[in-house]
Amino acid sequence: DTEVTQTPKHLVMGMTNKKSLKCEQHMGHRAMYWYKQKAKKPPELMFVYSYEKLSINESVPSRFSPECPNSSLLNLHLHALQPEDSALYLCASGVASGKYEQYFGPGTRLTVT
Amino acid sequence: QKEVEQNSGPLSVPEGAIASLNCTYSDRGSQSFFWYRQYSGKSPELIMFIYSNGDKEDGRFTAQLNKASQYVSLLIRDSQPSDSATYLCAVNILKDNFNKFYFGSGTKLNVKP
Repeated sequence: DTEVTQTPKHLVMGMTNKKSLKCEQHMGHRAMYWYKQKAKKPPELMFVYSYEKLSINESVPSRFSPECPNSSLLNLHLHALQPEDSALYLCASGVASGKYEQYFGPGTRLTVT
Repeated sequence: QKEVEQNSGPLSVPEGAIASLNCTYSDRGSQSFFWYRQYSGKSPELIMFIYSNGDKEDGRFTAQLNKASQYVSLLIRDSQPSDSATYLCAVNILKDNFNKFYFGSGTKLNVKP
């Protein structure tokens, strides 16, 4: 089973709202990722958690705040976003080291108004 | 220099033909190589991965890796209209003591009935 789930599928929020994106995997993977993807562009890495610890933060603005409550769950908290933050947000999971594959969830389509 | 380079296309092939997608990478420390298929508005789907020089076949798909030339390719035999999508090449590199994925910009494939 290579399933990664994400909720919600679509989200529309105003610039003053606070919302959260959720991701879950049950493959026993110990690395989880958040990516942002704009139209006709490749996925852009935002954050990586390894063994529930934040390992990589690719200089993402503080209005994005990740959280990894346990090895199966990953959240992305959103606050005071800008219209240019509208994008497809992808969660992925993989083994934490060695040669391995990375599997994506279906994504959350975020629109900031 | 980008870590992964792909021709953006579009690559147009007739139904039943072989589609050949190519990718080059810059870091000789790249460990693993992946092809993802992404339909418009959907998340990337892992379709092939390869770790060693040579060919790897899975159904209609063949991945080819040449580490000396830093070159990865994907062949799709008997192309079908349902293969029309953007194909993302990705490599896995150990950086900052952590495995990171780098994506090419993707090649758009059109299979004409």
